[in-house]
Amino acid sequence: EAQVTQNPRYLITVTGKKLTVTCSQNMNHEYMSWYRQDPGLGLRQIYYSMNVEVTDKGDVPEGYKVSRKEKRNFPLILESPSPNQTSLYFCASSLSPSGGWNEQFFGPGTRLTVL
Amino acid sequence: QKEVEQNSGPLSVPEGAIASLNCTYSDRGSQSFFWYRQYSGKSPELIMFIYSNGDKEDGRFTAQLNKASQYVSLLIRDSQPSDSATYLCAFLTGNQFYFGTGTSLTVIP
Repeated sequence: EAQVTQNPRYLITVTGKKLTVTCSQNMNHEYMSWYRQDPGLGLRQIYYSMNVEVTDKGDVPEGYKVSRKEKRNFPLILESPSPNQTSLYFCASSLSPSGGWNEQFFGPGTRLTVL
Repeated sequence: QKEVEQNSGPLSVPEGAIASLNCTYSDRGSQSFFWYRQYSGKSPELIMFIYSNGDKEDGRFTAQLNKASQYVSLLIRDSQPSDSATYLCAFLTGNQFYFGTGTSLTVIP
């Protein structure tokens, strides 16, 4: 089954404790992206990756890191989480952002609470 | 700052009616436009995408794009209670996606 998976689905942590949210897709997509969704602010892009070893900042990259060492995986790293990073996070992938193949498929979401 | 504005809602329509959702975007360079549906607690799922001016129909859904007015809309014909969800408008500029805050639609049986 073609899908984007994220883990964990729910996470409660404390300020400053490093964490990683994993994202994996099995569709051989080149483009992967992370979003956060907050009430009243909608979905905002954190980082995106055009392909392996190619990453770029989205609209809200502060406090986040990403890496793309393999095509299928795109982990999101919070090195020192703070309460303002409490949010619902989505990973997404698409075949390519250019041309006609840029529909994104979303993972199930990770609800993060930072105390 | 690139922006996407959606009609704020919430929007309520009776079953069988046409629901109209609207969106404006700020970046004239945007090349692709999308409508996603998001049920409460779930991830967004793609309903329609449109690249060219005019209308695009898919079943009960019609997307309309007017690049000169920087406007994109979604019409849902014969609305069903299962269409009750939040609808997100999005556009692609360069390699970045921008989303609106969504319009909540309730279809009343």
